[in-house]
Amino acid sequence: EVQLVESGGGLVQPGGSLRLSCAASGFTFSDHHMDWVRQAPGKGLEWVGRSKNKANIYTTEYAASVKDRLTILRDDSKNSLYLQMDSLKTEDTAVYYCARGMDGGSGWWTFDYWGQGTLVTVSS
Amino acid sequence: DIQMTQSPSSLSASVGDRVTITCRASQAINNYLAWFQQKPGKAPKSLIYAASSLQSGVPSKFSGSGSGTDFTLTISSLQPEDFATYYCQQYNSYPVTFGGGTKVEIK
Repeated sequence: EVQLVESGGGLVQPGGSLRLSCAASGFTFSDHHMDWVRQAPGKGLEWVGRSKNKANIYTTEYAASVKDRLTILRDDSKNSLYLQMDSLKTEDTAVYYCARGMDGGSGWWTFDYWGQGTLVTVSS
Repeated sequence: DIQMTQSPSSLSASVGDRVTITCRASQAINNYLAWFQQKPGKAPKSLIYAASSLQSGVPSKFSGSGSGTDFTLTISSLQPEDFATYYCQQYNSYPVTFGGGTKVEIK
């Protein structure tokens, strides 16, 4: 059974840092792209970024709104995905979900499984 | 960035109704379109990928269609467990983008 469990959320001051974790199980982690998606309170879904799979040399992609402040890391030996969040802003307040990538046709990847999410609140 | 526009933003329907939600992309995305369902306080659930392919375990009352820029999600006979918010997503190019969501409420 595929499971994704996020942790590490909490309250942080503007300008601060936080590191989220996503523990994966039930599948071969290195075969899959892994993504972070966030949802501000009462708002829609926003893609944060992606760590591609081993076959794609773990390259990363980011949304412009988080590039250079949020960094996606992965440790395949621990079946874990991370989101290092630096220089946090109030607008980064959201539930952060990790999602497993799946090939949605001809090498273009979407998601199939999602974690339960972890809440990050950026406030003074 | 590719903008995804869903309509309507909300709708009221009765149990047993056939419901259709539309998603339009600001440029052609082939069929690289997915649909997700989200219930309050829960994580999204993947329903459809490649515009019309059902994810494993998703009931056949859900169907998707379209290509290019215009797509639809149809629920053939709405049941109480289907009241939720639905999102489309394009994955044709980076950044991956979502529609604003369609909230399906009980009439």
